[in-house]
Amino acid sequence: DVKVTQSSRYLVKRTGEKVFLECVQDMDHENMFWYRQDPGLGLRLIYFSYDVKMKEKGDIPEGYSVSREKKERFSLILESASTNQTSMYLCASSATFGTAGAGANVLTFGAGSRLTVL
Amino acid sequence: AQKITQTQPGMFVQEKEAVTLDCTYDTSDPSYGLFWYKQPSSGEMIFLIYQGSYDQQNATEGRYSLNFQKARKSANLVISASQLGDSAMYFCAMVSVTTGNQFYFGTGTSLTVIP
Repeated sequence: DVKVTQSSRYLVKRTGEKVFLECVQDMDHENMFWYRQDPGLGLRLIYFSYDVKMKEKGDIPEGYSVSREKKERFSLILESASTNQTSMYLCASSATFGTAGAGANVLTFGAGSRLTVL
Repeated sequence: AQKITQTQPGMFVQEKEAVTLDCTYDTSDPSYGLFWYKQPSSGEMIFLIYQGSYDQQNATEGRYSLNFQKARKSANLVISASQLGDSAMYFCAMVSVTTGNQFYFGTGTSLTVIP
């Protein structure tokens, strides 16, 4: 019954390494999102994508890039990891609001990826 | 600008009692959706309940109900008969027609259920 799958639950990387966080959804959703969550700061949107090969910057895109080559897959890339990118990363997907029936626009999250950069 | 406000950083409730978690929102869109999520210590975000702006009745899902006061732009979550497993962070969120893709989240409320 898993609908949004994040490839890694826990990762430990070194400063300067390139990091890939993968996310796959099986609900045929148009929209996919990457959030970062830090204590006291809530969820902050890094990037989102509303279609294949399309992306929009969120609130904190600096230091990150994304890739969406297929509808079901949305990858977050840290080109050169830094210690201040140690965080919980949450992937999510949804249908576009207003295009589906009530409740069908729910934002569905993956289990999260806890990244530690040393 | 879209905005969600949760003014209660932390709440305590006695087991079996009801508790209300506050959420206010700010939007000029006539069509929008409001959501509540639960995040236990494991970290996953669990969808609890949804309310559409045109829904005539308050949403209910088991022990969860949403007290929707449109004129006041308020969407409070009510948890009845609290259980120890309800201890978690709770987030209010909104999406609207003009932001068809983006969801806006509050900063969350940490709920602790006391035995």
